[in-house]
Amino acid sequence: KQEVTQIPAALSVPEGENLVLNCSFTDSAIYNLQWFRQDPGKGLTSLLLIQSSQREQTSGRLNASLDKSSGRSTLYIAASQPGDSATYLCAVTGGGNKLTFGTGTQLKVEL
Amino acid sequence: NAGVTQTPKFRVLKTGQSMTLLCAQDMNHEYMYWYRQDPGMGLRLIHYSVGEGTTAKGEVPDGYNVSRLKKQNFLLGLESAAPSQTSVYFCASSDTGHSSGNTIYFGEGSWLTVV
Repeated sequence: KQEVTQIPAALSVPEGENLVLNCSFTDSAIYNLQWFRQDPGKGLTSLLLIQSSQREQTSGRLNASLDKSSGRSTLYIAASQPGDSATYLCAVTGGGNKLTFGTGTQLKVEL
Repeated sequence: NAGVTQTPKFRVLKTGQSMTLLCAQDMNHEYMYWYRQDPGMGLRLIHYSVGEGTTAKGEVPDGYNVSRLKKQNFLLGLESAAPSQTSVYFCASSDTGHSSGNTIYFGEGSWLTVV
């Protein structure tokens, strides 16, 4: 059974800092990995998707990497802003088209 | 552009009552999903549909039923609510399955409390 772990569960950083969020998964037989953002009381918004054949994807200040063989992904956020405060979830698509989510990292960017 | 809309947003039920959550999407997506989100746990799939008239069980289907009579709507029913069904419910939709890498769109959630 696929398990997705995100560490740390919560993170607080000062504005302007570069930061890395981590995601690990137990079964490397995946089709893709996605990073989502969830604001309090809201649904999830897809940020980046990395296909299994890719190593990284970039969107603005966000860069996601994937090391499938070691079961790890990182989400790098450059020059963090208070508006980046949210919970970030990663999810992998495995066999049977099943999407398995981690429990998320709650990020707070302070002024 | 509405995307995925869920109703109601909040509901309190007594144990044993029944209710239906409605999900509507205006993107002509084939795939629709119902998830629940509980503290300390990742989103878990309850049921899903790969097209109008189809439904299938997900990871945690017990105590729930679904119907997809129209392509744009996906209904989640609780026949006899239990306190263990207190949760936040999310509907989502996508054009194709997850393995193809198409974007999945989520609704804003429905907060259900069973007392």
